[in-house]
Amino acid sequence: ELKVEQNPLFLSMQEGKNYTIYCNYSTTSDRLYWYRQDPGKSLESLFVLLSNGAVKQEGRLMASLDTKARLSTLHITAAVHDLSATYFCAVDMANNAGNMLTFGGGTRLMVKP
Amino acid sequence: DAGVIQSPRHEVTEMGQEVTLRCKPISGHNSLFWYRQTMMRGLELLIYFNNNVPIDDSGMPEDRFSAKMPNASFSTLKIQPSEPRDSAVYFCASSFRGLDSAKNIQYFGAGTRLSVL
Repeated sequence: ELKVEQNPLFLSMQEGKNYTIYCNYSTTSDRLYWYRQDPGKSLESLFVLLSNGAVKQEGRLMASLDTKARLSTLHITAAVHDLSATYFCAVDMANNAGNMLTFGGGTRLMVKP
Repeated sequence: DAGVIQSPRHEVTEMGQEVTLRCKPISGHNSLFWYRQTMMRGLELLIYFNNNVPIDDSGMPEDRFSAKMPNASFSTLKIQPSEPRDSAVYFCASSFRGLDSAKNIQYFGAGTRLSVL
């Protein structure tokens, strides 16, 4: 059974600081997704990482994937209040019949002024 | 495109009643997913359809839950009878799975917040 673990589960940080969210998964996969969820809202796709060493950046967020270590990171640079949300990673199990995703527990990020 | 459309947005019902949640996927997508989100269990995949055919329903918690996809543009998730522990936010998501399945991004609807009293 595929397990996806994120840490930390909760992160409170000051504006302007940097931090990294970690996503570990238990079985082979070469597709990993990051989503953002604002309180009471739906999930919004942020990044798709498709191969070992993949790096994607959008604004103050940068995601990377190390398939050998079964690890993805979401790095936040110079955080701003608008980044406050819950961030989920999701793993697509290799060789499955469809793109069934297993989600991590989420990291709730609060950026304080 | 309007995105994935779910209805109702909120549902409050009494224990024992039947509840039907509805989903319209993005036009052209051929995969549809039903998820349940709770504080305790996080985001769980309930069932997955590909080309209107249920592929994996191992996440459906009990026989009280059933899902159908009669055509490419409509799906329902039914709970009968409902119980208080079914209270959660239910999301529908859709994606396109084709020959170039590299991305397979799932797009989520706004969700249905279900409260069973």
